[in-house]
Amino acid sequence: GAVVSQHPSRVICKSGTSVKIECRSLDFQATTMFWYRQFPKQSLMLMATSNEGSKATYEQGVEKDKFLINHASLTLSTLTVTSAHPEDSSFYICSATSGDGPYGYTFGSGTRLTVV
Amino acid sequence: DAKTTQPPSMDCAEGRAANLPCNHSTISGNEYVYWYRQIHSQGPQYIIHGLKNNETNEMASLIITEDRKSSTLILPHATLRDTAVYYCIVKSGGGADGLTFGKGTHLIIQP
Repeated sequence: GAVVSQHPSRVICKSGTSVKIECRSLDFQATTMFWYRQFPKQSLMLMATSNEGSKATYEQGVEKDKFLINHASLTLSTLTVTSAHPEDSSFYICSATSGDGPYGYTFGSGTRLTVV
Repeated sequence: DAKTTQPPSMDCAEGRAANLPCNHSTISGNEYVYWYRQIHSQGPQYIIHGLKNNETNEMASLIITEDRKSSTLILPHATLRDTAVYYCIVKSGGGADGLTFGKGTHLIIQP
């Protein structure tokens, strides 16, 4: 089946620094990738949608200058949290689809970000 | 996308069938019903999806009512590893949009 690899699984960074999270589709070409954020005891919230070779579309309330998304190839998307603050601490999850039909979306295993 | 309603939590005995209900009374004709689950601190896992007909795969069965206003996910022989939050999502076919997650049902399998 389709596999999405997300790295790192866990990261701790100092306040004010930037962190990059990678999301790779291992066995299919992902025309569209999605980034979600999940706070403790809450559901997943869609942050942005990225299509290969074009700018990401951000959901309302998500700062595009703070959460930089790059989808440079059909198998790789990255999310960079810039100038991270403790309130950015969360569980970040990517998802990918090849967009060929009404089938399932494949999710990565998530990245636990802690900003200290 | 149509909104879904699920009970916040359910218990099921290990080895028994777990039946998870979902209401989606405003579903449109071109919208599919997707089920995902999320085990603690992991990414969601796809379970099954359907449009009109009942569906079965190696993980579960999906029963959709004739009017498509509700559905039931059935885990035939629940194990402790099935303890997770189960999300019922309604979405039109095609991968252009992200999935909208509700609060889901926290299924707890009891030994």
